[in-house]
Amino acid sequence: DAMVIQNPRYQVTQFGKPVTLSCSQTLNHNVMYWYQQKSSQAPKLLFHYYDKDFNNEADTPDNFQSRRPNTSFCFLDIRSPGLGDAAMYLCATSRNLQDTQYFGPGTRLTVL
Amino acid sequence: EDQVTQSPEALRLQEGESSSLNCSYTVSGLRGLFWYRQDPGKGPEFLFTLYSAGEEKEKERLKATLTKKESFLHITAPKPEDSATYLCAVQGGIFGNEKLTFGTGTRLTIIP
Repeated sequence: DAMVIQNPRYQVTQFGKPVTLSCSQTLNHNVMYWYQQKSSQAPKLLFHYYDKDFNNEADTPDNFQSRRPNTSFCFLDIRSPGLGDAAMYLCATSRNLQDTQYFGPGTRLTVL
Repeated sequence: EDQVTQSPEALRLQEGESSSLNCSYTVSGLRGLFWYRQDPGKGPEFLFTLYSAGEEKEKERLKATLTKKESFLHITAPKPEDSATYLCAVQGGIFGNEKLTFGTGTRLTIIP
C-alpha cells in the first residue's frame, strides 16, 4: 500500500543535542510537509518542499532545518533542541499544493 | 488571516447516541475544507474534502456537510471505535497561500 512512513516513532534527545527525523513516501507526491503538534493543539506548519523548492514559514525558528535529497525522502533537523521543542512531528505529502495532504504516523520527540 | 474554530472541545456520548461536531471558519476564498481523524499518538487520517457550500460526503457512520461559514461532522449511532480527535482544516484559494489552517479539534469519546 502507498503510504507515508516516519522514523523513528519515538525519539529521545538531550537538551542541545542535534537530532534528525526521517520521512519517506511511496505515493510519488510532489509536496512534502513538516508540522509540529503539541498536546491538544492544532498542527503547525514548519515548512514544505515542492519538488526541490524549499518554502519556510515565516515564524519557523532557525533551529529547524530540512533536507529533501530525492522525491521519496525528507528530513527534519533540529540543530539544538530545547525543552520547548518536545512535540509530535508530523510529515505529510500531497500530489500538488492544492491537493489533499496525507499524514504519516508521526515522531514523538522528548527532550531531556 | 484564515481562522478555524471547532466546538465543542470535547464530547462524550453513549454508544448509539448521534451528535454533530462543528467547524466554523473564515477564509479568503475557500479552496477546500478537510476533515481528519486523529487517534492518540498517531498522525491525522484523512476523512473528507468538501469544496463548495451544500456539498455533503458520507463514510460509514460519518457525514460531513458544508455551508459558507461552517461545516458539520455528523456521527450517527457511534461505536466506541469512533473515539478520536476530529480535526477540521481549511485551505484558502489565494495563489501562493495554499497551506492548511487547522482547528484544535474535538475530542470525541464514545462510552460502551
